[in-house]
Amino acid sequence: ETGVTQSPTHLIKTRGQQVTLRCSSQSGHNTVSWYQQALGQGPQFIFQYYREEENGRGNFPPRFSGLQFPNYSSELNVNALELDDSALYLCASSLGTSGRTRWGEQYFGPGTRLTVT
Amino acid sequence: GEDVEQSLFLSVREGDSSVINCTYTDSSSTYLYWYKQEPGAGLQLLTYIFSNMDMKQDQRLTVLLNKKDKHLSLRIADTQTGDSAIYFCAVFNQAGTALIFGKGTTLSVSS
Repeated sequence: ETGVTQSPTHLIKTRGQQVTLRCSSQSGHNTVSWYQQALGQGPQFIFQYYREEENGRGNFPPRFSGLQFPNYSSELNVNALELDDSALYLCASSLGTSGRTRWGEQYFGPGTRLTVT
Repeated sequence: GEDVEQSLFLSVREGDSSVINCTYTDSSSTYLYWYKQEPGAGLQLLTYIFSNMDMKQDQRLTVLLNKKDKHLSLRIADTQTGDSAIYFCAVFNQAGTALIFGKGTTLSVSS
């Protein structure tokens, strides 16, 4: 059982609204990555945060943004929600050095299921 | 760009061995991973292999890595109904910041 937690578990929003998802990393981990998993697909990398700075970004528009806090917890913000944003949002924590994961373990949280209507 | 391919479905009988295969295009990943996802749940790290290893065994799980062919496999011995889930293969991108996942293999175990 990992120590990565996410909130909320489920969320329903309307198109055009904004949403904030939260992630607490496993104790001792300094890197948080966010992934979007659409139904029937593998997770897609959104971005990674290391020491409170964005350290890599996938093919997602700027309306997807994030933060990492001094305790290494993180938020994912999505503005101007679209129907296609409906997905499971996963965060993963790991221990990195200079932004690259040096240790094998990448642990995922249970995810937040976002539905946009 | 990096790509990871997996077969989509595998069906086995309880007690048999299951072998899930994965191929990838970028060989720079230091670690290669297998994750398990049960319905409605997050990803559970099953095992991972360091890129300079050929094989890793962990109880009922055996991971084989063929770097020349860029092929990774996961063998589950004595497959149980509780092993029914989606299994994802994942490797790091060249920058070492993002995991690239396959589409997942749905393992169905019948009793």
